Amino acid sequence: SAVISQKPSRDICQRGTSLTIQCQVDSQVTMMFWYRQQPGQSLTLIATANQGSEATYESGFVIDKFPISRPNLTFSTLTVSNMSPEDSSIYLCSVDGRYGYTFGSGTRLTVV
Amino acid sequence: AQSVTQLGSHVSVSEGALVLLRCNYSSSVPPYLFWYVQYPNQGLQLLLKYTSAATLVKGINGFEAEFKKSETSFHLTKPSAHMSDAAEYFCAVSPQYGNKLVFGAGTILRVKS
Repeated sequence: SAVISQKPSRDICQRGTSLTIQCQVDSQVTMMFWYRQQPGQSLTLIATANQGSEATYESGFVIDKFPISRPNLTFSTLTVSNMSPEDSSIYLCSVDGRYGYTFGSGTRLTVV
Repeated sequence: AQSVTQLGSHVSVSEGALVLLRCNYSSSVPPYLFWYVQYPNQGLQLLLKYTSAATLVKGINGFEAEFKKSETSFHLTKPSAHMSDAAEYFCAVSPQYGNKLVFGAGTILRVKS
Protein backbone atom coordinates (compact mmCIF):
# COMPACT_ATOMS: atom_id res chain seq x y z
CA SER A 1 0.00 0.00 0.00
CA ALA A 2 1.00 3.62 -0.44
CA VAL A 3 3.17 5.27 2.16
CA ILE A 4 2.32 8.84 3.12
CA SER A 5 4.70 11.28 4.74
CA GLN A 6 2.77 14.02 6.51
CA LYS A 7 4.28 17.04 8.19
CA PRO A 8 4.42 18.74 10.53
CA SER A 9 3.40 16.08 13.03
CA ARG A 10 2.27 18.73 15.47
CA ASP A 11 2.29 22.47 15.93
CA ILE A 12 1.13 25.12 18.33
CA CYS A 13 -0.01 28.27 16.55
CA GLN A 14 -1.25 31.69 17.48
CA ARG A 15 -4.80 32.61 16.61
CA GLY A 16 -5.11 34.59 13.41
CA THR A 17 -2.16 32.87 11.76
CA SER A 18 -2.11 30.14 9.11
CA LEU A 19 -0.53 26.70 8.98
CA THR A 20 0.22 24.65 5.88
CA ILE A 21 0.25 20.87 6.18
CA GLN A 22 2.03 18.78 3.59
CA CYS A 23 1.45 15.22 2.42
CA GLN A 24 3.87 13.38 0.18
CA VAL A 25 2.92 9.98 -1.24
CA ASP A 26 5.43 7.42 -2.47
CA SER A 27 3.35 6.60 -5.55
CA GLN A 28 1.05 8.42 -7.94
CA VAL A 29 -2.55 8.60 -6.81
CA THR A 30 -5.59 10.10 -8.44
CA MET A 31 -7.36 11.48 -5.43
CA MET A 32 -6.21 12.69 -2.06
CA PHE A 33 -8.53 13.30 0.83
CA TRP A 34 -8.17 15.67 3.76
CA TYR A 35 -9.90 14.88 7.06
CA ARG A 36 -10.29 16.63 10.37
CA GLN A 37 -10.57 14.83 13.69
CA GLN A 38 -11.70 17.15 16.45
CA PRO A 39 -10.81 16.20 20.03
CA GLY A 40 -12.59 13.03 21.08
CA GLN A 41 -14.49 12.77 17.82
CA SER A 42 -14.47 10.83 14.59
CA LEU A 43 -13.05 11.86 11.24
CA THR A 44 -14.84 14.31 9.02
CA LEU A 45 -13.93 14.85 5.40
CA ILE A 46 -12.86 18.39 4.58
CA ALA A 47 -12.25 18.06 0.86
CA THR A 48 -11.18 15.83 -1.98
CA ALA A 49 -8.21 16.96 -4.07
CA ASN A 50 -7.70 15.86 -7.65
CA GLN A 51 -4.58 16.82 -9.53
CA GLY A 52 -5.20 19.57 -12.03
CA SER A 53 -8.57 20.68 -10.76
CA GLU A 54 -10.10 22.59 -7.89
CA ALA A 55 -10.65 20.66 -4.70
CA THR A 56 -14.19 19.61 -3.85
CA TYR A 57 -15.24 20.75 -0.39
CA GLU A 58 -17.76 19.12 1.90
CA SER A 59 -20.62 20.99 3.44
CA GLY A 60 -19.38 23.27 6.19
CA PHE A 61 -15.89 23.70 4.77
CA VAL A 62 -14.86 26.51 2.43
CA ILE A 63 -11.86 27.18 0.27
CA ASP A 64 -11.03 30.49 1.91
CA LYS A 65 -10.59 28.77 5.26
CA PHE A 66 -8.98 25.55 4.00
CA PRO A 67 -7.21 26.18 0.70
CA ILE A 68 -5.77 23.07 -0.87
CA SER A 69 -3.08 22.63 -3.49
CA ARG A 70 -2.48 19.53 -5.60
CA PRO A 71 0.39 20.35 -7.94
CA ASN A 72 1.11 16.75 -8.97
CA LEU A 73 0.01 13.16 -8.40
CA THR A 74 2.17 12.60 -5.31
CA PHE A 75 1.80 15.77 -3.28
CA SER A 76 -0.83 17.96 -1.66
CA THR A 77 -1.05 20.69 0.92
CA LEU A 78 -3.86 21.85 3.18
CA THR A 79 -3.70 25.31 4.74
CA VAL A 80 -5.69 26.19 7.82
CA SER A 81 -6.20 29.94 7.56
CA ASN A 82 -6.91 32.64 10.11
CA MET A 83 -6.90 30.07 12.87
CA SER A 84 -9.01 30.14 16.01
CA PRO A 85 -8.98 27.77 19.00
CA GLU A 86 -11.89 25.91 17.39
CA ASP A 87 -9.49 24.75 14.68
CA SER A 88 -7.51 22.74 17.22
CA SER A 89 -7.76 19.23 15.79
CA ILE A 90 -5.85 16.45 14.14
CA TYR A 91 -5.69 16.84 10.37
CA LEU A 92 -5.05 13.78 8.25
CA CYS A 93 -4.54 13.18 4.58
CA SER A 94 -5.53 9.96 2.90
CA VAL A 95 -5.23 8.25 -0.45
CA ASP A 96 -7.06 5.35 -1.99
CA GLY A 97 -5.00 2.39 -2.98
CA ARG A 98 -5.25 -1.17 -4.07
CA TYR A 99 -5.29 -2.51 -0.51
CA GLY A 100 -7.42 0.14 1.11
CA TYR A 101 -7.30 3.76 2.05
CA THR A 102 -4.00 4.77 3.60
CA PHE A 103 -3.70 7.63 6.05
CA GLY A 104 -0.88 9.92 6.98
CA SER A 105 0.20 9.97 10.59
CA GLY A 106 -1.68 13.19 11.16
CA THR A 107 -0.91 16.76 12.19
CA ARG A 108 -1.94 17.65 15.72
CA LEU A 109 -2.75 21.34 15.70
CA THR A 110 -3.26 23.42 18.81
CA VAL A 111 -4.35 27.03 18.42
CA VAL A 112 -3.74 29.33 21.37
CA ALA B 1 -26.18 9.06 1.38
CA GLN B 2 -24.02 6.65 3.27
CA SER B 3 -23.82 6.55 7.04
CA VAL B 4 -22.32 4.38 9.74
CA THR B 5 -23.50 3.67 13.25
CA GLN B 6 -21.19 2.14 15.81
CA LEU B 7 -23.06 0.87 18.83
CA GLY B 8 -21.20 1.55 22.04
CA SER B 9 -18.71 4.37 22.31
CA HIS B 10 -16.79 2.35 24.90
CA VAL B 11 -16.37 -1.42 25.15
CA SER B 12 -14.50 -3.14 27.96
CA VAL B 13 -13.39 -6.78 27.86
CA SER B 14 -11.08 -8.94 29.89
CA GLU B 15 -7.84 -10.17 28.42
CA GLY B 16 -8.52 -13.43 26.59
CA ALA B 17 -12.22 -12.70 26.13
CA LEU B 18 -14.10 -12.28 22.87
CA VAL B 19 -14.02 -8.84 21.30
CA LEU B 20 -17.18 -7.73 19.48
CA LEU B 21 -17.43 -4.22 18.07
CA ARG B 22 -20.65 -3.42 16.29
CA CYS B 23 -21.10 -1.52 13.06
CA ASN B 24 -24.26 -0.96 11.05
CA TYR B 25 -24.29 0.91 7.80
CA SER B 26 -26.72 2.64 5.54
CA SER B 27 -26.03 2.70 1.84
CA SER B 28 -28.14 2.99 -1.28
CA VAL B 29 -25.66 0.90 -3.23
CA PRO B 30 -23.57 -2.15 -2.36
CA PRO B 31 -20.97 -0.61 -0.14
CA TYR B 32 -17.31 -0.97 0.51
CA LEU B 33 -16.72 -1.33 4.25
CA PHE B 34 -13.62 -0.83 6.35
CA TRP B 35 -12.39 -1.13 9.90
CA TYR B 36 -9.55 1.06 11.09
CA VAL B 37 -7.70 1.16 14.38
CA GLN B 38 -6.18 4.25 15.95
CA TYR B 39 -3.71 3.91 18.78
CA PRO B 40 -3.17 6.92 21.04
CA ASN B 41 -1.41 9.78 19.29
CA GLN B 42 -1.12 7.85 16.07
CA GLY B 43 -2.74 7.79 12.65
CA LEU B 44 -5.22 5.25 11.33
CA GLN B 45 -4.24 1.72 10.43
CA LEU B 46 -6.40 -0.45 8.19
CA LEU B 47 -7.54 -3.63 9.92
CA LEU B 48 -9.62 -5.10 7.13
CA LYS B 49 -11.94 -4.27 4.26
CA TYR B 50 -14.95 -5.69 2.48
CA THR B 51 -15.14 -5.08 -1.25
CA SER B 52 -17.91 -7.46 -2.38
CA ALA B 53 -15.85 -10.62 -2.39
CA ALA B 54 -16.05 -13.06 0.53
CA THR B 55 -18.49 -11.99 3.23
CA LEU B 56 -16.17 -13.11 6.01
CA VAL B 57 -13.12 -10.92 5.93
CA LYS B 58 -9.95 -11.66 7.84
CA GLY B 59 -7.69 -8.83 8.81
CA ILE B 60 -4.53 -8.17 10.70
CA ASN B 61 -3.86 -8.94 14.37
CA GLY B 62 -6.42 -11.75 14.45
CA PHE B 63 -9.45 -9.57 13.71
CA GLU B 64 -12.20 -10.52 11.32
CA ALA B 65 -15.54 -9.10 10.26
CA GLU B 66 -18.61 -10.54 8.58
CA PHE B 67 -20.67 -8.62 6.06
CA LYS B 68 -24.37 -9.34 6.55
CA LYS B 69 -26.44 -7.62 3.94
CA SER B 70 -29.77 -8.62 5.50
CA GLU B 71 -28.75 -6.97 8.75
CA THR B 72 -26.75 -4.15 7.13
CA SER B 73 -24.00 -4.99 9.57
CA PHE B 74 -20.24 -5.40 9.51
CA HIS B 75 -19.30 -6.29 13.08
CA LEU B 76 -15.65 -6.69 14.06
CA THR B 77 -14.60 -9.66 16.17
CA LYS B 78 -11.51 -11.20 17.71
CA PRO B 79 -11.67 -14.48 19.61
CA SER B 80 -9.23 -13.53 22.34
CA ALA B 81 -8.42 -9.98 23.39
CA HIS B 82 -4.88 -8.92 24.08
CA MET B 83 -3.77 -5.91 26.08
CA SER B 84 -2.24 -4.46 22.92
CA ASP B 85 -5.70 -4.32 21.32
CA ALA B 86 -6.65 -1.37 23.50
CA ALA B 87 -7.30 1.44 21.04
CA GLU B 88 -10.08 3.26 19.22
CA TYR B 89 -11.74 1.47 16.34
CA PHE B 90 -13.54 3.12 13.45
CA CYS B 91 -15.93 1.57 10.97
CA ALA B 92 -16.18 3.35 7.63
CA VAL B 93 -18.23 3.03 4.45
CA SER B 94 -17.72 4.13 0.88
CA PRO B 95 -20.20 3.84 -1.98
CA GLN B 96 -17.47 2.90 -4.41
CA TYR B 97 -13.77 2.37 -4.29
CA GLY B 98 -11.87 5.60 -4.69
CA ASN B 99 -14.67 7.65 -3.25
CA LYS B 100 -14.62 9.35 0.12
CA LEU B 101 -14.97 7.43 3.37
CA VAL B 102 -17.74 8.12 5.83
CA PHE B 103 -16.72 7.19 9.37
CA GLY B 104 -18.64 6.03 12.36
CA ALA B 105 -18.20 7.77 15.68
CA GLY B 106 -15.65 5.24 16.88
CA THR B 107 -15.51 2.71 19.70
CA ILE B 108 -12.84 2.82 22.37
CA LEU B 109 -11.81 -0.69 23.37
CA ARG B 110 -10.45 -1.22 26.85
CA VAL B 111 -8.81 -4.52 27.75
CA LYS B 112 -8.66 -5.42 31.41
CA SER B 113 -6.00 -7.69 32.86
